[in-house]
Amino acid sequence: EAGVAQSPRYKIIEKRQSVAFWCNPISGHATLYWYQQILGQGPKLLIQFQNNGVVDDSQLPKDRFSAERLKGVDSTLKIQPAKLEDSAVYLCASSLRIDEKLFFGSGTQLSVL
Amino acid sequence: DQQVKQNSPSLSVQEGRISILNCDYTNSMFDYFLWYKKYPAEGPTFLISISSIKDKNEDGRFTVFLNKSAKHLSLHIVPSQPGDSAVYFCAASEGPGKLIFGQGTTLQVKP
Repeated sequence: EAGVAQSPRYKIIEKRQSVAFWCNPISGHATLYWYQQILGQGPKLLIQFQNNGVVDDSQLPKDRFSAERLKGVDSTLKIQPAKLEDSAVYLCASSLRIDEKLFFGSGTQLSVL
Repeated sequence: DQQVKQNSPSLSVQEGRISILNCDYTNSMFDYFLWYKKYPAEGPTFLISISSIKDKNEDGRFTVFLNKSAKHLSLHIVPSQPGDSAVYFCAASEGPGKLIFGQGTTLQVKP
């Protein structure tokens, strides 16, 4: 069974630039999550999708972050414009249903200079 | 204001001995707890979980203990193996799919 795929693996940008991350969840998984993990901290939920609808985006800084999940499969997370404090690993996860265990991708490591 | 805390950033144990990783939480409404393991350059992988109605759950070498009165859980690994060297995250569920993670503890198992 293929796992959660994420790209790119690494990204280095300057502050105020834009960046986008892509995630392909495990086939058939209805729920998709984006987490932000800052160095030395645990992952923090940014947004949760159920199929292509948003379940929870209360922790998403909506002035600069946006996310979409087209057709209930792939998802993209965008930051525009990036700030220094956005440097982190962005993890995508999926689960079969909303109350099932999460499977994580390897993440995208973002460095904002 | 961290609701889930892992106060030990790192732990080093000898191969074959017991590893005990600790986690404290503040919200008594949490009803489900999980441990995830993370190797470098990989995403976290689910290890073991426990419902708040239980005080112990065992899976092979891994056992999780929950003390609700103390708002404390621990992960025991017996015997520890070098392949167990990783970062371990404790997480609490505050609703379907909504996990709050601790900061992580880096476990090193020495051969």
